[in-house]
Amino acid sequence: DAGVTQSPTHLIKTRGQQVTLRCSPKSGHDTVSWYQQALGQGPQFIFQYYEEEERQRGNFPDRFSGHQFPNYSSELNVNALLLGDSALYLCASSFRTGITNEKLFFGSGTQLSVL
Amino acid sequence: AQSVTQPDIHITVSEGASLELRCNYSYGATPYLFWYVQSPGQGLQLLLKYFSGDTLVQGIKGFEAEFKRSQSSFNLRKPSVHWSDAAEYFCAVGANTYGNQFYFGTGTSLTVIP
Repeated sequence: DAGVTQSPTHLIKTRGQQVTLRCSPKSGHDTVSWYQQALGQGPQFIFQYYEEEERQRGNFPDRFSGHQFPNYSSELNVNALLLGDSALYLCASSFRTGITNEKLFFGSGTQLSVL
Repeated sequence: AQSVTQPDIHITVSEGASLELRCNYSYGATPYLFWYVQSPGQGLQLLLKYFSGDTLVQGIKGFEAEFKRSQSSFNLRKPSVHWSDAAEYFCAVGANTYGNQFYFGTGTSLTVIP
């Protein structure tokens, strides 16, 4: 049973470009959350998708957008990349959205470098 | 506003020694508290969580944590550290019961020396 899978594992972009990161949730999970983890920092919540809609959003600009597909997989899009967007982007999946949900699983992340 | 403070950026312990990682939180209501571990190149793995009830919670890999409301703390402990415990440890507080919106601390890096 595959866990949460993210692709690609590493990515290098230049300032101003756009990037798309992908996440496939663990089998049986229907909710996907995205986090940004800058070097030396803890993960910061970007947003969460459930039933193909953005349900909650953290303090991130509109340059960060997402999508969830009918098969529950998700994409994170970042437009007009800045140097400060360089980070590890983590995807987490769960069944339903409650924070008391025990079954929250994280992927290994996509390391994005913006030059 | 919710926040989590992990005062120790880096800790070094000898294998077999005891371990305590500190975590202080700020949250207006009853907190949902978590400890996660992250090994290099890996995602986050849940060690343990506190929602309510017994303030001493047991987790995986022999870890435990104690919730102290009066001190706004949720420190992680292990009586005897193994070399495989070397990793980054994150304390997190849950914002509410809708949505998995966690607020993470900046982490504590653990080095284990033989």
